[in-house]
Amino acid sequence: DAGVIQSPRHEVTEMGQEVTLRCKPISGHNSLFWYRQTMMRGLELLIYFNNNVPIDDSGMPEDRFSAKMPNASFSTLKIQPSEPRDSAVYFCATQYRVGNEQFFGPGTRLTVL
Amino acid sequence: AQSVTQLDSQVPVFEEAPVELRCNYSSSVSVYLFWYVQYPNQGLQLLLKYLSGSTLVESINGFEAEFNKSQTSFHLRKPSVHISDTAEYFCAAGEPGGSYIPTFGRGTSLIVHP
Repeated sequence: DAGVIQSPRHEVTEMGQEVTLRCKPISGHNSLFWYRQTMMRGLELLIYFNNNVPIDDSGMPEDRFSAKMPNASFSTLKIQPSEPRDSAVYFCATQYRVGNEQFFGPGTRLTVL
Repeated sequence: AQSVTQLDSQVPVFEEAPVELRCNYSSSVSVYLFWYVQYPNQGLQLLLKYLSGSTLVESINGFEAEFNKSQTSFHLRKPSVHISDTAEYFCAAGEPGGSYIPTFGRGTSLIVHP
């Protein structure tokens, strides 16, 4: 298995532009998590899906952020419009079942100028 | 919900010395505990986990952690570190059953000097 796949690995954009981050989970994993990591705030959980349904999006910072999981093999995190303070590494992680460990993707490093 | 405290943000140590990275979680009837490692420019990888059974768990690269219920701790130890162990280490906790959303600590940066 190729593990969790994220694209792009790096994204540089200008303030106000739309950004879409993509994640392909490990086949058979029922849960998917989006995290954001910065030096200031550490690792923050943004949203969690179980069986493609959003369960908890309380970590989504504001309405500019949205996430979808249209099927079991694909998820997106969208920021529109982007702002410099959104600059961070965004991780997607998946989990087979409750209690098991999470498998993290390599992350997308987002820089908003 | 669980809360996880990693008491040290940074731990410098010399190569071949022992190391302990501390982790405490909020009390709960039952808990799952994890240590993850993050090497530079990579995602987090599971190092070891405690779900049930033996309170001492080990990883393949010489790390071990002990679940201590009375002290609500899950400290990570290694008797002799290598330069290649330099990384960020995250402790995580969760409660089995229901919707499982793990809670991560802020991380501890282990810096191994030659």
